[in-house]
Amino acid sequence: ETGVTQTPRHLVMGMTNKKSLKCEQHLGHNAMYWYKQSAKKPLELMFVYSLEERVENNSVPSRFSPECPNSSHLFLHLHTLQPEDSALYLCASSQRAGGTYEQYFGPGTRLTVT
Amino acid sequence: AQSVTQPDIHITVSEGASLELRCNYSYGATPYLFWYVQSPGQGLQLLLKYFSGDTLVQGIKGFEAEFKRSQSSFNLRKPSVHWSDAAEYFCAGRENDYKLSFGAGTTVTVRA
Repeated sequence: ETGVTQTPRHLVMGMTNKKSLKCEQHLGHNAMYWYKQSAKKPLELMFVYSLEERVENNSVPSRFSPECPNSSHLFLHLHTLQPEDSALYLCASSQRAGGTYEQYFGPGTRLTVT
Repeated sequence: AQSVTQPDIHITVSEGASLELRCNYSYGATPYLFWYVQSPGQGLQLLLKYFSGDTLVQGIKGFEAEFKRSQSSFNLRKPSVHWSDAAEYFCAGRENDYKLSFGAGTTVTVRA
């Protein structure tokens, strides 16, 4: 595998389900991100992890719970979601400091909440 | 606050014609600027980046961008578009060590 991978690519879940999104980066980066992309809305930064420590949490509801066990893996745990949470969830990684700050994105997980 | 603005929401261009997408930035120092492309249902792919040196930057897929400090602009260009260039394009700028600020995006439609 190369770059940033995300699984699953598509997920349909009910409002009472619990599921997790997985992201893995193969670039040796030390920062990872979760973004939410809804139709007709700007890209929303949800969480940032740098060196496995959460450095940003943009007022995201507690039904979204991130986890970063090491610098290569990032999870987004989902529970009791709402229909408005349906969106494309993108993971990205970058090299914090010492690099040129570009972020590399995974293909995304298309989430539908029914 | 540092930010980037993409004035055009949607652009339609004929196949084979040239394309220019606008991006304006508001950063005090020399900014780190990026252009990304997103095909439907996919992630964002980095086209090119600028942070110093030559103000004309070459990227992948035949794209280039020019940094103009006097106009606070970083416009993306392609001399001859292909139908496969139909996508959404995002300009972004560095906010801090780990955060990028993204524009709202420009959707490009290519007509035959």
